[in-house]
Amino acid sequence: KAGVTQTPRYLIKTRGQQVTLSCSPISGHRSVSWYQQTPGQGLQFLFEYFSETQRNKGNFPGRFSGRQFSNSRSEMNVSTLELGDSALYLCASSLGGGEYSPLHFGNGTRLTVT
Amino acid sequence: GENVEQHPSTLSVQEGDSAVIKCTYSDSASNYFPWYKQELGKRPQLIIDIRSNVGEKKDQRIAVTLNKTAKHFSLHITETQPEDSAVYFCAASTGIIFGKGTRLHILP
Repeated sequence: KAGVTQTPRYLIKTRGQQVTLSCSPISGHRSVSWYQQTPGQGLQFLFEYFSETQRNKGNFPGRFSGRQFSNSRSEMNVSTLELGDSALYLCASSLGGGEYSPLHFGNGTRLTVT
Repeated sequence: GENVEQHPSTLSVQEGDSAVIKCTYSDSASNYFPWYKQELGKRPQLIIDIRSNVGEKKDQRIAVTLNKTAKHFSLHITETQPEDSAVYFCAASTGIIFGKGTRLHILP
């Protein structure tokens, strides 16, 4: 079974630009969650999508948005990039049908904002 | 919303000794508590999890204990080995909120 695939692996953007990251979950998984990872801040929860609906949302500004398609693939968009948005963005998929679904992480997209 | 605190942020133990990482959570509705291990440059991976109707779970050298009354849970690693060096994250359900992680160093 293929794992969670995130594209692209690396991105370099300039302040003020916008960026879209993509995540393909494990086949059969209906939940996709997004996390921002920075040194010292751990894994900060952005949002979770289940069956094309945002089910949970973290404490990030409205510049961070996402969506999920009918095939469970998900995209995350960050508009008006700031230097502080430089981070590793991880997505994770799970079965999502109940509360006890372990997360399966992708390798992440490393975003650098200059 | 849920808040998860994890301690310590860094832990160094001699190879062969035990390591304990502790987490507390705020939402009494949380009922699933997984632990993830992230090796340098790699993705986090689930190593063990526990549900709220169980007080303790063990898998070879790792174990997790849960105290629902006090709202805290702990990861125990016995007979530590060099490959245990990594960052460990605890999490609580209801949105899967993670602690900030513990960097574990196994000293030769």
